[in-house]
Amino acid sequence: QSVLTQPPSVSAAPGQKVTISCSGSSSNIGSNYVSWYQQLPGTAPKLLIYDSDTRPSGIPDRFSGSKSGTSATLGITGLQTGDEADYYCGTWDSSLNVVLFGGGTKLTVL
Amino acid sequence: QLQLQESGPGLVKPSETLSLTCTVSGGSISSSSHYWGWIRQPPGKGLEWIGSIYYSGTAYYNPSLKSRVTISVDTSKNHFSLRLSSVTASDTALYYCARHYSPSGTSFRSIGGYWGQGTLVTVSS
Repeated sequence: QSVLTQPPSVSAAPGQKVTISCSGSSSNIGSNYVSWYQQLPGTAPKLLIYDSDTRPSGIPDRFSGSKSGTSATLGITGLQTGDEADYYCGTWDSSLNVVLFGGGTKLTVL
Repeated sequence: QLQLQESGPGLVKPSETLSLTCTVSGGSISSSSHYWGWIRQPPGKGLEWIGSIYYSGTAYYNPSLKSRVTISVDTSKNHFSLRLSSVTASDTALYYCARHYSPSGTSFRSIGGYWGQGTLVTVSS
């Protein structure tokens, strides 16, 4: 069981919007930046969001990140079938001095 | 463009030691702002951080694996390595190497900015 809690799955229709939550504690999300990753089937994870809300170059603005307190959220608008993937959050834990990942959320675009 | 490439045996016998190397190209492993790490993913499961190392040799490890893990760095070859001892079937996984951004040197601001493609290691006799 992961220290960072994500819903196992979310789904929405093409063109719609979806959000994926990542819940932690004061020693991890509450005091550190959050990263988000997209893992398409059979591929390595790819960084989608860093610094909790910043997109790397080349990531469409359909993807957004936010953080409030001990929770973070990934938002995806204008859903496409190509967005079907597993999404993970990750952060540093300042008390344990470890990297933490959420358990992952499978996005289905119906 | 920074690239990371894992290499090593794809099959390891139970009780033996798993050894992998991550070769970095397009950038220096001696960067003062980055740690280099290993992350694994058992088939059909989520990501598990194994550990990370700075070019100076300072390393952080997952407490659940710490007794069996050694991560080392070779700046002359621009690569870093993973050794996991006493492996069992539960160590079967895709093993990824990745770069983390650490401007402070003591915590990670961004995790996994760059990833290798991953290498599957199967533990079986």
